[in-house]
Amino acid sequence: GEDVEQSLFLSVREGDSSVINCTYTDSSSTYLYWYKQEPGAGLQLLTYIFSNMDMKQDQRLTVLLNKKDKHLSLRIADTQTGDSAIYFCAATTGGFKTIFGAGTRLFVKA
Amino acid sequence: GAGVSQSPSNKVTEKGKDVELRCDPISGHTALYWYRQSLGQGLEFLIYFQGNSAPDKSGLPSDRFSAERTGGSVSTLTIQRTQQEDSAVYLCASVGTGYLDTQYFGPGTRLTVL
Repeated sequence: GEDVEQSLFLSVREGDSSVINCTYTDSSSTYLYWYKQEPGAGLQLLTYIFSNMDMKQDQRLTVLLNKKDKHLSLRIADTQTGDSAIYFCAATTGGFKTIFGAGTRLFVKA
Repeated sequence: GAGVSQSPSNKVTEKGKDVELRCDPISGHTALYWYRQSLGQGLEFLIYFQGNSAPDKSGLPSDRFSAERTGGSVSTLTIQRTQQEDSAVYLCASVGTGYLDTQYFGPGTRLTVL
């Protein structure tokens, strides 16, 4: 079945760019998502990309998709302390089951 | 309602007791999911509802876990004879009928089994 993997921790300085990486195994994945979880809260959809796209930009967020390598990344420009959270990569083939990665904990140092 | 709500927000129980966790999805959302998030772990899929039926219960860890959904709305997750390894945050999410399978998550119930 689908497996989604991502690194567990990332630490950056305020103002720098953050890049969070994710790999998935099912090449038929149609939607790929990034969710954000702040302390004590549930997950919130941050952005998504369709499998027929290479890139999507949304303000400070840039999502890059390499279908050949099954690699997804999330770049946060000008990272702020408020961006400190856990970021989950997720993939779905359009069926009911969305597979989530373990989450990358982003630390932003002032 | 405005979002997915879950109750209680925190539950501390003794080993061997039964607990019930509740999820109120967004009004009109037909699909509902339960996940378990253990410390430092990703989301573990438990069960999925489409309407009142559960096509996939494969994620339930043992027969001590059960879930139901009534009226296509509220869902309860029941854990019988709780064990310490059941301690985790239990998250509920609902999905609407849009083209994008966005899951809207509740804030979770933190379960601690002593």
